[in-house]
Amino acid sequence: QQQVKQSPQSLIVQKGGISIINCAYENTAFDYFPWYQQFPGKGPALLIAIRPDVSEKKEGRFTISFNKSAKQFSLHIMDSQPGDSATYFCAARRDYGQNFVFGPGTRLSVLP
Amino acid sequence: KAGVTQTPRYLIKTRGQQVTLSCSPISGHRSVSWYQQTPGQGLQFLFEYFSETQRNKGNFPGRFSGRQFSNSRSEMNVSTLELGDSALYLCASSGINGGTGELFFGEGSRLTVL
Repeated sequence: QQQVKQSPQSLIVQKGGISIINCAYENTAFDYFPWYQQFPGKGPALLIAIRPDVSEKKEGRFTISFNKSAKQFSLHIMDSQPGDSATYFCAARRDYGQNFVFGPGTRLSVLP
Repeated sequence: KAGVTQTPRYLIKTRGQQVTLSCSPISGHRSVSWYQQTPGQGLQFLFEYFSETQRNKGNFPGRFSGRQFSNSRSEMNVSTLELGDSALYLCASSGINGGTGELFFGEGSRLTVL
């Protein structure tokens, strides 16, 4: 019940295309859902996050869509750029002070 | 503001040895978490320290231990190293004053066990 599933494992997108990464969880007590971006040789960095009281959050080219009833959330990267090539992790946390549970990651490659 | 600093960045050990990794959090952050990152398993939570006390613990054997000092710096120790302990060990700090407890990660310590 503590798991967060993530798909696909890897994704190749053409420049200008839309990248979509999906995550699913089972623990309905999770109340905070961030996405982290990790470049090679670097630690993950927070990209965007959402709480379950909203269905969508947009920041620039990055959008999180959240479906509480399905216990799923996804990251959409519009107009994907080669600089977006990185590994993306979804995560979830029960409440403040609890540890984050991470998905296994998606390696995104955006072709020029 | 300086970020999270982890040392050493790279190290090679042999089976049976032990290793100590260090993490200096962002100034003012009192929470430090440790994660193990491997290609197949993603980020696995090891433990979290807050104000020198272990607040949360993941499902790792007792060979993995940690501590936090009064200045919030943290160390993790792995004893009796096994080949499967080869991984990138990430430290993350977070602030305590409201907000979301966003994690700020260091660049990690890459451990290779031969």
